[in-house]
This record gives sequence, structure tokens and C-alpha cells, in this order.
Amino acid sequence: SQKIEQNSEALNIQEGKTATLTCNYTNYSPAYLQWYRQDPGRGPVFLLLIRENEKEKRKERLKVTFDTTLKQSLFHITASQPADSATYLCARTSGQAGTALIFGKGTTLSVSS
Amino acid sequence: DGGITQSPKYLFRKEGQNVTLSCEQNLNHDAMYWYRQDPGQGLRLIYYSQIVNDFQKGDIAEGYSVSREKKESFPLTVTSAQKNPTAFYLCASSILLAEGGNEQFFGPGTRLTVL
Repeated sequence: SQKIEQNSEALNIQEGKTATLTCNYTNYSPAYLQWYRQDPGRGPVFLLLIRENEKEKRKERLKVTFDTTLKQSLFHITASQPADSATYLCARTSGQAGTALIFGKGTTLSVSS
Repeated sequence: DGGITQSPKYLFRKEGQNVTLSCEQNLNHDAMYWYRQDPGQGLRLIYYSQIVNDFQKGDIAEGYSVSREKKESFPLTVTSAQKNPTAFYLCASSILLAEGGNEQFFGPGTRLTVL
């Protein structure tokens, strides 16, 4: 099966530090990886998308990398703030139009002040 | 104000009853999706639709049914055949890109509880 795994269920860091979340995939090389943020009781919100031929993508304090050799994506939040506390979901999709996403279980990030 | 809406926010069902969850979008998106989320779990795909009057089963379609009579609407019916329906249900929509990679826009979710 086309699995996608997020290694850590929870990550606790101090304000101002860089949070690094890991997403690994198996059995199938996705054309895209996407990262979403989900707050408790709410729907996920799209953050970043990275293509398999891209090494890195940035958006403000967010950075995502895609390593097809390691079959891994890393998601970084620099200068983290308590407001960054949420669950972050990694999702993969193929290169076909309109195909649904396959999600990991998520990593819950807690940033303490 | 464009977006995707789901109703109701909370829904209680007695065992043996069918219930229908509403999902509407005014983003003019072609594709719509239904996911289920259980505590500590990722989102699992129930059904998706790329075009009106057509839809495909996802990984956990048993006990669910959908319709896509209008582009804006994609209701999900949870039937009595679904053995463990208590969960958080999320609807999403996206444009269709030929090369894939479409980001999805999610609704606020419906929390279904079976009494």
C-alpha cells in the first residue's frame, strides 16, 4: 500500500526555536507532497506543496524539503511561536488530475513560551 | 465570501438510522472529497467526485453513499450499514489540474455521534 508516515505523534519545543517535522513515504514515489495545519475541531488548512523535482520550498517562516533518495519530507517552522501550536499533516498525491490525498496521522506541535 | 460549508456542526444519530451530512462550496471547484477522521488518526478517504454525476469510492466507502447532482453540492449519507460511524467528517474541494498536485480546501467538519 502507498503509506505515508509521520514519525512523531507529538513535538514540544520552546518559543523561538526551529520545529522540524518528518514525513516518510513508502512503496510509491509521490509526485507531490503537501503540508496542512489543523487546529482542534477544525478542518485542515493548506500550507505548502512541494513537487518531486523540487528540493526546497519556502513561505515566510515555513520551509519544506523533499528528498526522493531518503523518501522523506522535512517541514520546518523557524522562530516558532505559541500560535504555531497545532497538528501538522503531511499528504501525498500522484501526478494524476483530481486524485485524492493520502494523509499521515499528523504531528502535534506544542510551542511553549 | 467564497468557501466550503458543512452542516450541521454536530449530529447525533440513533443506531439503525441513516443520516445525511451536507457539503456546499461556492469556489467553482470541479472536485469534491469526503474524509473521515478518528482520534489520533489521519484523514481517510470515503468518496470523491471529479465531475457532476460521477464519483469514486475511497479506501473506506462501505456503509456510506454520496451523490453529485450539482457542482456545488456533495452530500454524504451515513447508512445503518456503517458499523462504527462515530467520527469527525470533513468535506473538501479542489480545482482539477492536469498534472495533479491540487491543494484542497476543507470545510469546518461535522462531528457525528451515534447514541
